[in-house]
Amino acid sequence: GAGVSQSPSNKVTEKGKDVELRCDPISGHTALYWYRQRLGQGLEFLIYFQGNSAPDKSGLPSDRFSAERTGESVSTLTIQRTQQEDSAVYLCASSFLTQGYYGYTFGSGTRLTVV
Amino acid sequence: EDQVTQSPEALRLQEGESSSLNCSYTVSGLRGLFWYRQDPGKGPEFLFTLYSAGEEKEKERLKATLTKKESFLHITAPKPEDSATYLCAVLGRSARQLTFGSGTQLTVLP
Repeated sequence: GAGVSQSPSNKVTEKGKDVELRCDPISGHTALYWYRQRLGQGLEFLIYFQGNSAPDKSGLPSDRFSAERTGESVSTLTIQRTQQEDSAVYLCASSFLTQGYYGYTFGSGTRLTVV
Repeated sequence: EDQVTQSPEALRLQEGESSSLNCSYTVSGLRGLFWYRQDPGKGPEFLFTLYSAGEEKEKERLKATLTKKESFLHITAPKPEDSATYLCAVLGRSARQLTFGSGTQLTVLP
């Protein structure tokens, strides 16, 4: 597609439930990133995928968070047993070259609210 | 560990009142410094990449400059449509992802 697509755009879930967030990167972009943005704060790195290499999971805040990517296409971020502190906007970005020299292209994000 | 600090946190300007946003960074071997614009409810939109001290880039009313310790985003004669949050990010030698600052929320009043 023309841009990075994320779904759903909004998600309200009850504490303790699992949620799945989806990201469709730009076709041909080999690198894909997930970030979290809490209200009024900057972007917090979660996980990075590059081609078929092992993902960099160093930013995942707990073992309740996991992510998968199929080849160089769709990625899903799963949060198990959601907590209120998980409420945030989850942003996905992709880039053509590794390391993002040309800047990431971001999706519009999924706003997650845990009640 | 790469670090980025942006100031001020918020800035209100009158239309036509020029100003600058600051991005101070600490990084081990800068490979690139990035500026993004973020509108409410949207993802960040890429503006500029700067690679080395002394480099400057311009786009409409925006000009980004880079020194060895900080970057400035100069806004000349801003308009209300320039209102947004401006994010700065760095890519260090050993990193594989950008490290972002907390942003400056700019409001331009008509």
